Amino acid sequence: DQQVKQNSPSLSVQEGRISILNCDYTNSMFDYFLWYKKYPAEGPTFLISISSIKDKNEDGRFTVFLNKSAKHLSLHIVPSQPGDSAVYFCAAKNSGGSNYKLTFGKGTLLTVNP
Amino acid sequence: GAGVSQSPRYKVAKRGQDVALRCDPISGHVSLFWYQQALGQGPEFLTYFQNEAQLDKSGLPSDRFFAERPEGSVSTLKIQRTQQEDSAVYLCASSLQRGAGTQYFGPGTRLTVL
Repeated sequence: DQQVKQNSPSLSVQEGRISILNCDYTNSMFDYFLWYKKYPAEGPTFLISISSIKDKNEDGRFTVFLNKSAKHLSLHIVPSQPGDSAVYFCAAKNSGGSNYKLTFGKGTLLTVNP
Repeated sequence: GAGVSQSPRYKVAKRGQDVALRCDPISGHVSLFWYQQALGQGPEFLTYFQNEAQLDKSGLPSDRFFAERPEGSVSTLKIQRTQQEDSAVYLCASSLQRGAGTQYFGPGTRLTVL
């Protein structure tokens, strides 16, 4: 049973527009969420995170929003650039338990067209 | 500085063969993790080391999988009597802190079992 779900396998946007990647989770024990970016033949790279005590975290062009009641988070990229084209993984963990164990979604392939 | 490195990058094994996958974490990183990423899936946690101690091996799929980190630095993931279902990318990650903390991933080893 997938505890972290990324229901869109792919997303295509125009350069300069907003990219919105979505993630849902089912485990109510998760209280810390991360986004990783992965280029082909490379390992995932940490992008941004958010604790459940917040509902928004911003870092440059990247903003993550968390809706705890809906068990939903989203990553916004504004403006999108061709170099953002990659697979984006949503991950979650329980900081009170095995606080090292990340549970990943299946990923969303983002393509930013010039 | 050097990131996490893994070798070999690609490994083809015949069913029944034993394989050994190596991970060189970032120097000084206390924590080391192994993940398995099947095709079209997100990474799945296999095991966690804090220095040389294997604190969690709950994700290892069977007793054919064995991991070690004898000197608290380099780690080896060994798979005995490989099966076709073992075909996946094996990712290693390291973290400066114990347990929690940003995990930095290596490029992975793609294992194909024929």
